[in-house]
Amino acid sequence: DTGVSQNPRHKITKRGQNVTFRCDPISEHNRLYWYRQTLGQGPEFLTYFQNEAQLEKSRLLSDRFSAERPKGSFSTLEIQRTEQGDSAMYLCASSPSGGADTDTQYFGPGTRLTVL
Amino acid sequence: AQKITQTQPGMFVQEKEAVTLDCTYDTSDPSYGLFWYKQPSSGEMIFLIYQGSYDQQNATEGRYSLNFQKARKSANLVISASQLGDSAMYFCAMREMVEDDKVIFGPGTSLSVIP
Repeated sequence: DTGVSQNPRHKITKRGQNVTFRCDPISEHNRLYWYRQTLGQGPEFLTYFQNEAQLEKSRLLSDRFSAERPKGSFSTLEIQRTEQGDSAMYLCASSPSGGADTDTQYFGPGTRLTVL
Repeated sequence: AQKITQTQPGMFVQEKEAVTLDCTYDTSDPSYGLFWYKQPSSGEMIFLIYQGSYDQQNATEGRYSLNFQKARKSANLVISASQLGDSAMYFCAMREMVEDDKVIFGPGTSLSVIP
């Protein structure tokens, strides 16, 4: 399987705990994106990496959220001191840079977070 | 203001019939891309079709075609010969070049294919 993978697929945690999600993009894709999707809504952009550089962060990404892509391959999204409002599906996507396919983002299966 | 509008929260279609899912968008950027994604109940977002703002022809991909009307700022998805497996949420999305690679999604349309 050469698609985008995300781990874990499901995470249940208690309010106040920290959680970390991992995303492995399609190999040779330079761009990696994180989105959040709540029930009944479309995905909302959180942040974006070009290789290891984090180029943009949404205002949705409070200081409790941090994302890294240390070697320009996989990425992690950490949420500190989780709140019930953080419960959502967290989606990762990747896309190549350059070439005819440059505009298309390919999504992983998502990590569903439930904060009790 | 909403950048992507999908006015049909839910749609039904008979198996083997064609269905059109509506999408209108709002942008002042002359260069942008439009996408449709399918999200089945399993949750994964599946890329269906892409239309660039400068593309002269409407995009087609198998049973999917995009009816792009630039002046009206609409990018409707047409699914021909509907199949039971087409039942899912469908999201229209836009990427504006001035906004880097941020993709904005619409609220989605739930499609149910009836046997």
